[in-house]
Amino acid sequence: KAGVTQTPRYLIKTRGQQVTLSCSPISGHRSVSWYQQTPGQGLQFLFEYFSETQRNKGNFPGRFSGRQFSNSRSEMNVSTLELGDSALYLCASSSTQGNTEAFFGQGTRLTVV
Amino acid sequence: DAKTTQPTSMDCAEGRAANLPCNHSTISGNEYVYWYRQIHSQGPQYIIHGLKNNETNEMASLIITEDRKSSTLILPHATLRDTAVYYCIVRVAGTASKLTFGTGTRLQVTL
Repeated sequence: KAGVTQTPRYLIKTRGQQVTLSCSPISGHRSVSWYQQTPGQGLQFLFEYFSETQRNKGNFPGRFSGRQFSNSRSEMNVSTLELGDSALYLCASSSTQGNTEAFFGQGTRLTVV
Repeated sequence: DAKTTQPTSMDCAEGRAANLPCNHSTISGNEYVYWYRQIHSQGPQYIIHGLKNNETNEMASLIITEDRKSSTLILPHATLRDTAVYYCIVRVAGTASKLTFGTGTRLQVTL
């Protein structure tokens, strides 16, 4: 079956702009989570969505937001971009049936200049 | 989620077993031990998980001590493609997507 798909793979934005990243989970998976990875902070949890509702949220400012659609696809948005937002943004999907693992996409590399 | 402690880096010769330790002394009874790895510039990849029994799959074996305060991931015949950062994560069952990553162990497999 197809894996987790993230688009775009690479993105360059200017400070102050906003950006929207997309994630299509594995078919049948209803839980989608987002992570930010930077050299300094490592992999950090942003938020998790299930059935179009945010279920968990990490310690990030309100400039970071997300949503999930009825088909489980998810988007995350970062407004008023800062240089420090440059990172690899990873999406993970998981089934809610039992104690299963999360499957990660290849990520979107965002560079803020 | 309980905190985990892993060595920063390890080396392993190709073809030999790689044994990656993890300490999780504050683990709770309903928390599982998960292992993921991340090859450079790719998304993390699930390897294996367990609660209290030893587990084995096509990728690796997971040995959990009887008191569950530590575990070891074993790659039985390491190859160059196993060079990656390995993360040991402890999480409550049913929270598949909220993973707390530490700094992991950078495994370098050499010829």
